Amino acid sequence: GAVVSQHPSWVICKSGTSVKIECRSLDFQATTMFWYRQFPKQSLMLMATSNEGSKATYEQGVEKDKFLINHASLTLSTLTVTSAHPEDSSFYICSASRVTNGYTFGSGTRLTVV
Amino acid sequence: DAKTTQPPSMDCAEGRAANLPCNHSTISGNEYVYWYRQIHSQGPQYIIHGLKNNETNEMASLIITEDRKSSTLILPHATLRDTAVYYCIVFGRGGSEKLVFGKGTKLTVNP
Repeated sequence: GAVVSQHPSWVICKSGTSVKIECRSLDFQATTMFWYRQFPKQSLMLMATSNEGSKATYEQGVEKDKFLINHASLTLSTLTVTSAHPEDSSFYICSASRVTNGYTFGSGTRLTVV
Repeated sequence: DAKTTQPPSMDCAEGRAANLPCNHSTISGNEYVYWYRQIHSQGPQYIIHGLKNNETNEMASLIITEDRKSSTLILPHATLRDTAVYYCIVFGRGGSEKLVFGKGTKLTVNP
C-alpha cells in the first residue's frame, strides 16, 4: 500500500515553454502533498506544501508564479513549471502524507530545459 | 533547518552490518524518528520509524537511545544494493508537517 505515482519520469523541454508534472496517490487519499527539488549531489529542498482544495504554501525563495501547484482532488497534485529556463533543470519529487503512516515519495521527474 | 545531524559518508563491507548514526538532540516528545534512503535518481524510500522503543522490520533495525537524543539504523547484512544516501528525519505525525531533509549519510557498500 501507500503508493505515489509521479509522471513523467523525465522530460526535456525548450526554454520558455511550460511543463506539468503529476503526482498521484494510488491507494490512499492525501490531503497534503509536498513538492521538492533536488540538484545534483545535494539534498532534497522543499518547495511547497499542497493542500487539497486550497492554495499551496511556498517556501521562502520559491516563486509562486513560476511553480504553479494545483491540488484539486485528494489523489492528485500537479506542479507546472512555467516559462522554464535552463536553471530550472533539476530533479523534482513529490510526496504524500498519510496521517498514520508517515510520508510516501514519488519516483521523481528529471526535468531538462534546453 | 534540519533537526538532525549525520556523518556525511560511511563505508561498509558487503555482508557485514552497517550502523548509521543520527543525532537529534532537540527532538520533541511527540516527534518520531524516521529513516529514508535514496538510491541514485530515485525518490526516497521509507525504511523504518520509531518513537522511543527499538523497532525492527524486514529491512532494518532502529535503535533509539533512552533520552531519544540519538538513534542508529542497522542494516544487518549489507548488500551492494544498499548503497544509497540515508536520511534521518524527525517530525510529528499530524499529517501536514513539513519534512525537512538534512544532508544525510552516503553509505557505500564495498564488495
